[in-house]
Amino acid sequence: ELKVEQNPLFLSMQEGKNYTIYCNYSTTSDRLYWYRQDPGKSLESLFVLLSNGAVKQEGRLMASLDTKARLSTLHITAAVHDLSATYFCAVEPNTGNQFYFGTGTSLTVIP
Amino acid sequence: DADVTQTPRNRITKTGKRIMLECSQTKGHDRMYWYRQDPGLGLRLIYYSFDVKDINKGEISDGYSVSRQAQAKFSLSLESAIPNQTALYFCATGKDFTDTQYFGPGTRLTVL
Repeated sequence: ELKVEQNPLFLSMQEGKNYTIYCNYSTTSDRLYWYRQDPGKSLESLFVLLSNGAVKQEGRLMASLDTKARLSTLHITAAVHDLSATYFCAVEPNTGNQFYFGTGTSLTVIP
Repeated sequence: DADVTQTPRNRITKTGKRIMLECSQTKGHDRMYWYRQDPGLGLRLIYYSFDVKDINKGEISDGYSVSRQAQAKFSLSLESAIPNQTALYFCATGKDFTDTQYFGPGTRLTVL
């Protein structure tokens, strides 16, 4: 059974602090995607990572992919309240056509 | 106008009723997907389609069926709704694996 595990599941952090969300997966894949979901809203794409060592940055968020360790990280730098949301990673196995989502990390940034 | 639309946005129905959720897209993508979201479980794939003649089961297809009427339209049916199908349902489209998936606004379904 393919597993995509995120941790932590819940994260409360102060504004200005740094933190990292982890996404581990159990299949061979170099296709990893990050999404953001605001309460009551749909999913918005953040990053597409398609090779070992891929790193993408947008504003205060930076995502990376280590396919050998089957691990992706989403690093938050100097958090601000607007980053409060639920973050999902998703994996598409190299041999498959389906996306498998993690259970999500609910981030709350406290002033 | 939104690129991926879903109708209805909210629906309350009773156990045993047949329900159809519709998805339309203007992105010109061949790939379309139906997911359900439950609290604490993330998103799980129900069905996906890579063109009008291609329909594939996802992780949790039991109790659901789909129809791909055209490149732009992909419908999800619950033949006989049951309470544990109460969830938030998302349609998504995609170009290929090098691209992300683009999600519709979601349909909140409640089965009483």
